[in-house]
Amino acid sequence: DTEVTQTPKHLVMGMTNKKSLKCEQHMGHRAMYWYKQKAKKPPELMFVYSYEKLSINESVPSRFSPECPNSSLLNLHLHALQPEDSALYLCASSQDHRLLDTQYFGPGTRLTVL
Amino acid sequence: AQSVTQLGSHVSVSEGALVLLRCNYSSSVPPYLFWYVQYPNQGLQLLLKYTSAATLVKGINGFEAEFKKSETSFHLTKPSAHMSDAAEYFCAVSKTNDYKLSFGAGTTVTVRA
Repeated sequence: DTEVTQTPKHLVMGMTNKKSLKCEQHMGHRAMYWYKQKAKKPPELMFVYSYEKLSINESVPSRFSPECPNSSLLNLHLHALQPEDSALYLCASSQDHRLLDTQYFGPGTRLTVL
Repeated sequence: AQSVTQLGSHVSVSEGALVLLRCNYSSSVPPYLFWYVQYPNQGLQLLLKYTSAATLVKGINGFEAEFKKSETSFHLTKPSAHMSDAAEYFCAVSKTNDYKLSFGAGTTVTVRA
C-alpha cells in the first residue's frame, strides 16, 4: 500500500473560522510533509516532520499550525486565514527525510478562504 | 542554491509522437534529480529519479530521462505519447540527503488525437 490519504478533499472557510486538514499514511514512513500549491505553480514546502518531531518550518505564518499526533497522522490546523491562503494543500510522506527516498503524495485538499 | 529550469511551459504533441520535456539544473556538484507528474485534481507522482547510479534512468509509464553533466540537463522523454499522458510535469532537484525539493515551474502536456 503506497497510499497517502487526505481529508477533506475540498474546504471552504471564512477568515474567522478554525479548521483542520488531515493526512494519513500506513506505509511505516517516518517523515511527513506539508506543501502548498497555488494554481499553475509548483508545490512549496511548508513543514517537515521527522520521527514525529517538527524538523523544518519554512517560515510559514503562525495561522498555520502543524501537528503530528503519531507516526501515521499529520494535521494542519488553520486559523484566521487570508484569501491569499486559498490553494491546494498537499501532504507527502517518505521513509526518511533524506530525499533518496521517494516522497509519496496525497491527492490534496483544495482550500478556499472567503 | 539549487535550481531547475524547465524550458517550455506548455508542450502539445500528437498521440503516438515523441514527448520531450526539457530540464536544466544549476549546481556545482551533481545533485539528485527527479521528474514528477501531476494529473488534474491529484497529488504528485514520482516518474523517475537520478541518484548517480546510471545516467539513463527508466521510469514508470514508459518515460525515461538522461542525465548529461556536460549540459547540466535531465530531459524527460517518451517515445510514443498516449492520451493519458496529458498532465503537468515537474522537474525537481535536491542536494545529497537534503530534505528540500526545488521544483521547476512545470510543463503542461496536452496530447492531440
